[in-house]
Amino acid sequence: QSALTQPASVSGSPGQSITISCTGTSSDVGRYDLVSWYQQHPGKAPKLLIYEDTKRPSGVSNRFSGSKSGKTASLTISGLQAEDEANYYCCSHAGNNVYVFGIGTDVTVL
Amino acid sequence: QVTLRESGPALVKPTQTLTLTCTFSGFSLTTTGLSVSWVRQPPGEALEWLALIDWDDDKFYSTSLESRLTISKDTSKNQVVLSMTNMDPVDTATYFCARMSEYNSPDAFDLWGQGTMVTVSS
Repeated sequence: QSALTQPASVSGSPGQSITISCTGTSSDVGRYDLVSWYQQHPGKAPKLLIYEDTKRPSGVSNRFSGSKSGKTASLTISGLQAEDEANYYCCSHAGNNVYVFGIGTDVTVL
Repeated sequence: QVTLRESGPALVKPTQTLTLTCTFSGFSLTTTGLSVSWVRQPPGEALEWLALIDWDDDKFYSTSLESRLTISKDTSKNQVVLSMTNMDPVDTATYFCARMSEYNSPDAFDLWGQGTMVTVSS
């Protein structure tokens, strides 16, 4: 399975909204409603933000939202804050309990 | 409190077999719907899913690495073990274990260990 495509970097000013895309294929993102998103600060473990394309685990800020259209999933961060500066990864079920991550997006708060 | 912790050698030589252990607490891998995966991350690079073992002892592997990987569990010790054969310098990475719960967040890794860095070098 090939890594999902994400933009290498996205930036925004505090208070703005940004969107990170995650493009896969008809065998993963386009086939299953099972995209998850993770935030990773340098030197730390990833943290789950979104699962099943759009659902937010308890305790995750409602500034994070997920959506999907066809083979492309998206993560939107609204009201951007300095603490949101991190790397973000999407992940999709790719059939038969196999999973594929995206290449990662570096978010910079200007 | 649910925790996961990875352990294993920090340095392995090329061609050797790497064995990593994930020791967890706060849940049991005998509980229906739970599984543990291994995910790695080379320095400065992306996450890569490697393998998964579930409560029913079903095992799944990355298609590109399947021939080199073996995942197993010891439910009495609350441990999941990953073996990777024929290690190469390109396998240098931080290796994470992560839990998946069909009850909390299906098909997503809801809890992660802190990771263990493995360097492959002669």
